Amino acid sequence: DTGVSQNPRHKITKRGQNVTFRCDPISEHNRLYWYRQTLGQGPEFLTYFQNEAQLEKSRLLSDRFSAERPKGSFSTLEIQRTEQGDSAMYLCASSLARRTETNSPLHFGNGTRLTVT
Amino acid sequence: AQSVTQPDIHITVSEGASLELRCNYSYGATPYLFWYVQSPGQGLQLLLKYFSGDTLVQGIKGFEAEFKRSQSSFNLRKPSVHWSDAAEYFCAVQNTGNQFYFGTGTSLTVIP
Repeated sequence: DTGVSQNPRHKITKRGQNVTFRCDPISEHNRLYWYRQTLGQGPEFLTYFQNEAQLEKSRLLSDRFSAERPKGSFSTLEIQRTEQGDSAMYLCASSLARRTETNSPLHFGNGTRLTVT
Repeated sequence: AQSVTQPDIHITVSEGASLELRCNYSYGATPYLFWYVQSPGQGLQLLLKYFSGDTLVQGIKGFEAEFKRSQSSFNLRKPSVHWSDAAEYFCAVQNTGNQFYFGTGTSLTVIP
């Protein structure tokens, strides 16, 4: 178990640029979540996948945000035309949901800190 | 709607003193409850979880939490705090739709 891995750890970009983050979940985990966290706040849900299917998206997720998990393993989160308000820590988490046990804790990566200048 | 409230934004305790962090949740059904800890610049680490059964659950690093349905609370406790416990603590509830809702966190400072 190598844990959830996120890359890059830090990203500084200019307003209007596109950025893409990658998340590699724990290998046997079938669920993958993206959260956003700003200073002094708890994580806010953005979206989640079960295998390769994106099952839910938050209303927080504007059209500039898109997430994929093409083969049910790693996931990418892309932000197009970044704005200063996008500056935050983007956290990825994974979990293993079994048919007979739907409740399973999240395992988080160390996050990608995005700064939009 | 589901929600989690952590009434204390910041708590300071002396090393060796006992600790209690408060968490109240709002959820119609039996909740699945969690406590996570976050060090600066890091992700969240699971301390403990409650799904069902014994209302007092033990976690890592000497932490425990008690689920009280009548008070809609899931407070985190530790009998003797260590300087390395200084961090941000988050309470979370999971609903049947596999969504997790987090509180705004409690920042813990430990003074020698």
